[in-house]
Amino acid sequence: GQNIDQPTEMTATEGAIVQINCTYQTSGFNGLFWYQQHAGEAPTFLSYNVLDGLEEKGRFSSFLSRSKGYSYLLLKELQMKDSASYLCAVRSEDNYGQNFVFGPGTRLSVLP
Amino acid sequence: DTEVTQTPKHLVMGMTNKKSLKCEQHMGHRAMYWYKQKAKKPPELMFVYSYEKLSINESVPSRFSPECPNSSLLNLHLHALQPEDSALYLCASSQDDRGQGGYTFGSGTRLTVV
Repeated sequence: GQNIDQPTEMTATEGAIVQINCTYQTSGFNGLFWYQQHAGEAPTFLSYNVLDGLEEKGRFSSFLSRSKGYSYLLLKELQMKDSASYLCAVRSEDNYGQNFVFGPGTRLSVLP
Repeated sequence: DTEVTQTPKHLVMGMTNKKSLKCEQHMGHRAMYWYKQKAKKPPELMFVYSYEKLSINESVPSRFSPECPNSSLLNLHLHALQPEDSALYLCASSQDDRGQGGYTFGSGTRLTVV
């Protein structure tokens, strides 16, 4: 099975930097995804890591350490519209096939 | 076209009704998914179709019946649902069932069972 953990809630100030952590335990790891989800809307894809290291995409960066079962999403120059839930999702494969499981999500509130 | 389209956006149904949720994508993706999401919870995988064949059924009750008529369409047939089945039902697709290129989600169908 898989076990994915994220902080439940975080608060940050507009213009600041925030790091959202995700830890996971799984066998057959085959990729980690970050999604943003505004209340009542569908998740939107932010980033994908399958190798160790940092992936940068504009104001968003995602880091992965496979040996530590750890990832983080870094949001820079926070804007009010970044207030949303951020979901870490882990893909893995075992003898029964592919699994794609979301973590519990981190609800980020950006304050003026 | 880079979207996954779901219809209807909202659905209210009685416990004896039969209804269907529809999902469509024209990105050439060969894997399609149904997720169920309760309020303030992450999406939970229900079904995976890969190349129009059901590859994963996450022990979903038989009152939910998926169908993949072709590579662009995915349906979820609903029958004799319970009030606890009320949730947001999300459809997603990816290039293949390895998630290449990420997963694209539709905006969901908000289902209320009365």
